Amino acid sequence: GAVVSQHPSWVICKSGTSVKIECRSLDFQATTMFWYRQFPKQSLMLMATSNEGSKATYEQGVEKDKFLINHASLTLSTLTVTSAHPEDSSFYICSAEQGSSYNSPLHFGNGTRLTVT
Amino acid sequence: SQQGEEDPQALSIQEGENATMNCSYKTSINNLQWYRQNSGRGLVHLILIRSNEREKHSGRLRVTLDTSKKSSSLLITASRAADTASYFCATGVPTGTASKLTFGTGTRLQVTL
Repeated sequence: GAVVSQHPSWVICKSGTSVKIECRSLDFQATTMFWYRQFPKQSLMLMATSNEGSKATYEQGVEKDKFLINHASLTLSTLTVTSAHPEDSSFYICSAEQGSSYNSPLHFGNGTRLTVT
Repeated sequence: SQQGEEDPQALSIQEGENATMNCSYKTSINNLQWYRQNSGRGLVHLILIRSNEREKHSGRLRVTLDTSKKSSSLLITASRAADTASYFCATGVPTGTASKLTFGTGTRLQVTL
């Protein structure tokens, strides 16, 4: 149980275009999902907290107009990278928590590798 | 920044040996978690230790937590080649209905035959 599916697993796009990444909790409902970004051989940096039915909470330094997050249902959150540029190339990972306890582990998607040419 | 630091950054051992990774963090926490990441993949949860716990075991994994020193360690006993991966500690603080995790810098473990 507790599977998080992330799609696509990789995407190549041209500079200036937008890319949408989906994160789905397959067998549980997730009121809260998290979006992370990871550069090669580095740690995960939290970008934003996605809340079902309300606006996402962005971390300091993350442009909310560039990284649009929508959490329209209890099983789906989407991250749209708008007007992508080469510096947006990175590995994006989503996660969701099963259960409502603050001591529950997060379940991660397999990530999306974005390459902007 | 609450981001934790892990050491060593990289560790290379032979199969059968034990691997120990350390994590330090900066602020008060609800819990500390360890995750594993294979190259180019998502993270897999290994073990969670609450702030009021000092030690926890799961199979070949042993985790300790010292809140007075703001540090934790992960011990993998009798390592296998399949344990080769990056290991991250993460500290959790409550936000909304879930814990917001801040990840450490990670330890890249290489287990050779």
